Amino acid sequence: QSVLTQPPSVSGAPGQRVTISCTGSSSNIGAGYDVHWYQQLPGTAPKVLIYGNSNRPSGVPDRFSGSKSGTSASLAITGLQAEDEADYYCQSYDSSLSGYVFGTGTKVTVL
Amino acid sequence: EVQLLESGGGLVQSGGSLRLSCAASGFTFSSYAMSWVRQAPGKGLEWVSIISGSGGSTYYADSVKGRFTISRDNSKNTLYLQMNRLRAEDTAVYYCAKHFYDDSGHFEYWGKGTLVTVSS
Repeated sequence: QSVLTQPPSVSGAPGQRVTISCTGSSSNIGAGYDVHWYQQLPGTAPKVLIYGNSNRPSGVPDRFSGSKSGTSASLAITGLQAEDEADYYCQSYDSSLSGYVFGTGTKVTVL
Repeated sequence: EVQLLESGGGLVQSGGSLRLSCAASGFTFSSYAMSWVRQAPGKGLEWVSIISGSGGSTYYADSVKGRFTISRDNSKNTLYLQMNRLRAEDTAVYYCAKHFYDDSGHFEYWGKGTLVTVSS
C-alpha cells in the first residue's frame, strides 16, 4: 500500500500544461526527505525525470519541473507532447517504514 | 554507459525459491548502493531492498523481510536477490536500480527487469 498519493490520471491537449500532485505525510515528504519523479513509458523500465525535488538530469527537457512544499510535491509538464504519454511516479523515503516509498502513480494522457 | 542486466526470473511454485542476478557495467560498482524494485502486473512500483556499496548495510521492505536476502559481489560487479518462501503476491517484474550515492539517493539508473511468476 503506497503512502504517497497521486491522482490516477491527468490529461491535456498538446501544448497545454498539466500538473501531478504527490501527497505524503510527516514521516516522509513532511520530514524533509527529498522527492524524486520517474517516468515509465509503456512496456519499459522507469527513468528518473526529477531528482532532489527540482533537479533535472541531463537530457531531460526543461518542460518538466518539480517542486515541494510541506507534505506535498508536484510535477509540472508544460508544452505537453504526444511522447509524454506515460505513467509518472513520485518517490521519497519514509522514516516510519525505514524504507523507500513510491506514489500510487499517475497516467498522463495527451488528448 | 551504465548498463544493468537482470536475469534469473521465471516460473516457480508457491513456497519455492529463486535467485535473481543483476550484472552491472559502466560505473564503479562498489561505490554505489543498489536496490531491487518490483512491479506487479498492471500495478505500481514497490521498493524491495537496498544494499550499500560495501555490502555492509542492507534494508528490506516489510513485505519481504525474513524471506528475501540481498547481496552483492563487488569483484564480479553483480547484485543478487535470493527469494525464499515465495508467495503468489511476489509475482512481479523485478528491476535492479543504481542509487545516486553509496548508501542512498534516488534510483539513478534502472535495468530492463526480469519477470518472476509464482504459481499457487
